[in-house]
Amino acid sequence: DAGVIQSPRHEVTEMGQEVTLRCKPISGHNSLFWYRQTMMRGLELLIYFNNNVPIDDSGMPEDRFSAKMPNASFSTLKIQPSEPRDSAVYFCASSAMAGGLGQPQHFGDGTRLSIL
Amino acid sequence: AQSVTQLDSQVPVFEEAPVELRCNYSSSVSVYLFWYVQYPNQGLQLLLKYLSGSTLVKGINGFEAEFNKSQTSFHLRKPSVHISDTAEYFCAVSDQGGTALIFGKGTTLSVSS
Repeated sequence: DAGVIQSPRHEVTEMGQEVTLRCKPISGHNSLFWYRQTMMRGLELLIYFNNNVPIDDSGMPEDRFSAKMPNASFSTLKIQPSEPRDSAVYFCASSAMAGGLGQPQHFGDGTRLSIL
Repeated sequence: AQSVTQLDSQVPVFEEAPVELRCNYSSSVSVYLFWYVQYPNQGLQLLLKYLSGSTLVKGINGFEAEFNKSQTSFHLRKPSVHISDTAEYFCAVSDQGGTALIFGKGTTLSVSS
């Protein structure tokens, strides 16, 4: 079975540019999570969706960050404009709520973002 | 609010030695507990989870963890480690009313020969 698929795997761009990260969750999973990982702050939850609806976006650092989930098989995380301090590895994860609470999250391989 | 504290940021051990990675959590409600492993340049993979029932949980790759409610701990153990166990290990908690996880800062396990 295909796991969580993220694209691109690596992104290098100049500050001020718009960055769009993409995620395809595991088919049948109806919860989707975006995380950011840095050496300084560790793994931070940015936002999560249940059934395509954003439930908690309190981790989104600034208005420059936005996330959408237009359907059950696709989500985007957008940064506009990007800044060097946004450099990090961004992970997407999905889980099956229907199986009950406590379902494990399945992670993609991440997008390594570097803002110059 | 929940929180997770991983007491050791780095744990160096020799191959075939036992290891314990410590995790304490803080929560005012009942919780679910997880351990994840992250190999270099990869996402996190689930090692094991505690939802209810037996407090000793067995996971993949020979790891196990014990839930201790009175000490609010969920330490991860392996009786004999391999070089291939070198990775970052994360403890995580979620409350039984939600789906989001709160992660600890991670523990780097370095196994040498």
